[in-house]
Amino acid sequence: VQLVESGGGVVQPGTSLRLSCAASGFTFTSYGIHWVRQAPGKGLEWVAVICYDGSNKYYADSVKGRFTISRDTSKNTVYLQMNSLRAEDTAVYYCARDFRYRTTAGSGMDWGQGTLVTVSS
Amino acid sequence: NFMLTQPHSVSESPGKTVTISCTRSSGSIATNYVQWYQQRPGSVPTTVIYEDNQKVSGVPDRFTGSIDSSSNSASLTISGLKTEDEADYYCQSYDSNNHGVFGGGTKLTVL
Repeated sequence: VQLVESGGGVVQPGTSLRLSCAASGFTFTSYGIHWVRQAPGKGLEWVAVICYDGSNKYYADSVKGRFTISRDTSKNTVYLQMNSLRAEDTAVYYCARDFRYRTTAGSGMDWGQGTLVTVSS
Repeated sequence: NFMLTQPHSVSESPGKTVTISCTRSSGSIATNYVQWYQQRPGSVPTTVIYEDNQKVSGVPDRFTGSIDSSSNSASLTISGLKTEDEADYYCQSYDSNNHGVFGGGTKLTVL
């Protein structure tokens, strides 16, 4: 299992950013993918999950209405579109594959290396 | 929604046994599986225990996960502590709507 995040960077408050998570080493269409973030020096915070076939998506209250998770099976990639970014969204964003086969979530995760998003004026 | 509460830090000597607790604030701990993640300093989190008590391949037998309905909590027990076990440990579960919930993390010091 390999998950490679990209798209992080420094952006101003109120702007948008799209993160990508390129997956390989497993059947992409059979597993749910999470985004989890970690603010500097802080703990882990679950952000969103998309089920194996893209039919169900769930979001943390802190990002609901601002972030959108999606997946492209032709590219084996999951995206996190982040709009109306705030300073408190500053974090390392990890994508992670759920262990469970052909479901949304419910088990442990295989983690990517993360990408840093900094929201600052 | 519920919260998962962990001690902020624990410390123990090499060779000893330590238990990290994770208490669910509402609803039964047995309703949704609990996972445990290890994050060494400067590293990516890794899963050590999933679905309450299942060990990820390659994780030493020294690591054990369990749940206790009477205290509505999950526990990670590490026996025969080694300096390499020094890390932050996070418990995690899901609510009924597939939202992930993490505990605040426990810093384990092996001194």
